Amino acid sequence: QKEVEQNSGPLSVPEGAIASLNCTYSDRGSQSFFWYRQYSGKSPELIMFIYSNGDKEDGRFTAQLNKASQYVSLLIRDSQPSDSATYLCAVISSGSARQLTFGSGTQLTVLP
Amino acid sequence: EAQVTQNPRYLITVTGKKLTVTCSQNMNHEYMSWYRQDPGLGLRQIYYSMNVEVTDKGDVPEGYKVSRKEKRNFPLILESPSPNQTSLYFCASSLRAGKSSGNTIYFGEGSWLTVV
Repeated sequence: QKEVEQNSGPLSVPEGAIASLNCTYSDRGSQSFFWYRQYSGKSPELIMFIYSNGDKEDGRFTAQLNKASQYVSLLIRDSQPSDSATYLCAVISSGSARQLTFGSGTQLTVLP
Repeated sequence: EAQVTQNPRYLITVTGKKLTVTCSQNMNHEYMSWYRQDPGLGLRQIYYSMNVEVTDKGDVPEGYKVSRKEKRNFPLILESPSPNQTSLYFCASSLRAGKSSGNTIYFGEGSWLTVV
């Protein structure tokens, strides 16, 4: 069983819509959760991190964490074509020495 | 400028010919790691290092070696490369291990490696 699972997509949304990206993880003791954005051929860049249950907002991005359901999501409001990228969910599991486990990523396309 | 620098960025090599991918960071970070990225599999950790002379295996260490003799450098060594090691490799670093918000992971620009 994969430790971090994401729908690979592709996910397409029209410009201005809300894009919703989802991620589930298997280790119930996981403590830290991250969302990275990766443009094709480029390195991942951190866009959000969340540690506590609930929502965390940063500009157009909102990360949502539900530890009971082992579920973390990323909402992108007012999606722009420049948001088109692969979004990687990453989790630091319990007892780990900073071993960050990535999901396989969801490819998002925002249509103008 | 804070950065993680990898070299080479692009390399085509032949099976069995030893190669080293260098990684250097200028942020005095304790933690460094190597990932490989393959289509449909995401980023998988190869090795990581908590500090100088402290290294450990990640999820896919077979066929790779690392060393951490200096804090800033963390080279990835392929002693006898094989075609299944054709991949995109990323070096990454962070200040230290742990979940603190200050531990942003910085990635290098990636090294495209093809083994024929």
